[in-house]
Amino acid sequence: SQKIEQNSEALNIQEGKTATLTCNYTNYSPAYLQWYRQDPGRGPVFLLLIRENEKEKRKERLKVTFDTTLKQSLFHITASQPADSATYLCAPGGNAGGTSYGKLTFGQGTILTVHP
Amino acid sequence: EPEVTQTPSHQVTQMGQEVILRCVPISNHLYFYWYRQILGQKVEFLVSFYNNEISEKSEIFDDQFSVERPDGSNFTLKIRSTKLEDSAMYFCASLGAGAGRAQYFGPGTRLLVL
Repeated sequence: SQKIEQNSEALNIQEGKTATLTCNYTNYSPAYLQWYRQDPGRGPVFLLLIRENEKEKRKERLKVTFDTTLKQSLFHITASQPADSATYLCAPGGNAGGTSYGKLTFGQGTILTVHP
Repeated sequence: EPEVTQTPSHQVTQMGQEVILRCVPISNHLYFYWYRQILGQKVEFLVSFYNNEISEKSEIFDDQFSVERPDGSNFTLKIRSTKLEDSAMYFCASLGAGAGRAQYFGPGTRLLVL
């Protein structure tokens, strides 16, 4: 069955440093992979999507990579700020080569805390 | 900016009662979803809905669950006879064609079954 693992339950870093979060998946060939942010008691908020034929995508201080050989995505937040503190979720989706607009299967999330 | 809305924000019910959770997706979106998150656990897919029918459902979505789009704006999740283990946060999400497959989530309804 499909399995999604995010590197650790919690990650603590100092303000200004780069946070790197890992998402590994098995028994799955997603057509794309999404990253979401979730604050306590709130719904997930979309951050970035990267497709199977893309190696890297950037948006402001965010960068995501997608290695379909390693079955891994890395999510980086550069120049981190205390406001970046939240749970970050990865969600592979679709089927490689398919046209699904289907469900998202989320990892358990990594709780990021950025200390001032 | 358009957003997905959900009502109520909180719902407390007795075991065995029916509940209806309501969602208003973003107006020009075509695909609709329900997810749930039990406290401290991950977000889980329940069901997807497109063209007025269910396109996919998980094993959680058994006969006690149903979805409906009764008019052009609302999307509802009904639980016919609630169980204690249905207590969770329920999120509605919507997706527009050509939106790069980013789903937009509502703020959620916290359901507590006593």
